[in-house]
Amino acid sequence: AQKITQTQPGMFVQEKEAVTLDCTYDTSDPSYGLFWYKQPSSGEMIFLIYQGSYDQQNATEGRYSLNFQKARKSANLVISASQLGDSAMYFCAMREGVDNFNKFYFGSGTKLNVKP
Amino acid sequence: DAGVIQSPRHEVTEMGQEVTLRCKPISGHNSLFWYRQTMMRGLELLIYFNNNVPIDDSGMPEDRFSAKMPNASFSTLKIQPSEPRDSAVYFCASTRDAVAKNIQYFGAGTRLSVL
Repeated sequence: AQKITQTQPGMFVQEKEAVTLDCTYDTSDPSYGLFWYKQPSSGEMIFLIYQGSYDQQNATEGRYSLNFQKARKSANLVISASQLGDSAMYFCAMREGVDNFNKFYFGSGTKLNVKP
Repeated sequence: DAGVIQSPRHEVTEMGQEVTLRCKPISGHNSLFWYRQTMMRGLELLIYFNNNVPIDDSGMPEDRFSAKMPNASFSTLKIQPSEPRDSAVYFCASTRDAVAKNIQYFGAGTRLSVL
């Protein structure tokens, strides 16, 4: 089974609107971390936001927030007030457990296009 | 602080040639990961090291691929002989144990084209 599933290959959003990128995960380990990365057309992988499995509150970093629904095993990324520079690929990732040498599982990504 | 440094940024070579990709992790990081990214297969984990020791190389496609980490500040990924299907972007990433978030920080990648 896939550890990380991103069901939206591509998304469009109007500039200044909010957008939600979906991510579901699969693990039986009670301890895990969830991450979102941005990959613009220039190619680099940029860390955006982190959510730990024991964190009580949803993570926020500026215009990025993570809608963490533990029972549903979902960790959706919400981008508020979209900007043209948000156009990129977005990857969800999971680190499972505490003794796995920090191995990550990545999803297939969602390509976000922000329209002016 | 310097991030993960990869070299070269671009490599164009001919089929059959040896290719060596290089990576310098962030100072103090003790886990290092090599990934390959293609349109068809997405982001694939090839191999990772912890404290310079290879932990899992099950993602290495075949014996033509090899990776080494002779010390904490340097790693190489070698392809010999290279084939056109090896054309991809190769990323190196590093992180540090015993840190709550264990964020993996990526290098800028090496874009490899095998003709």
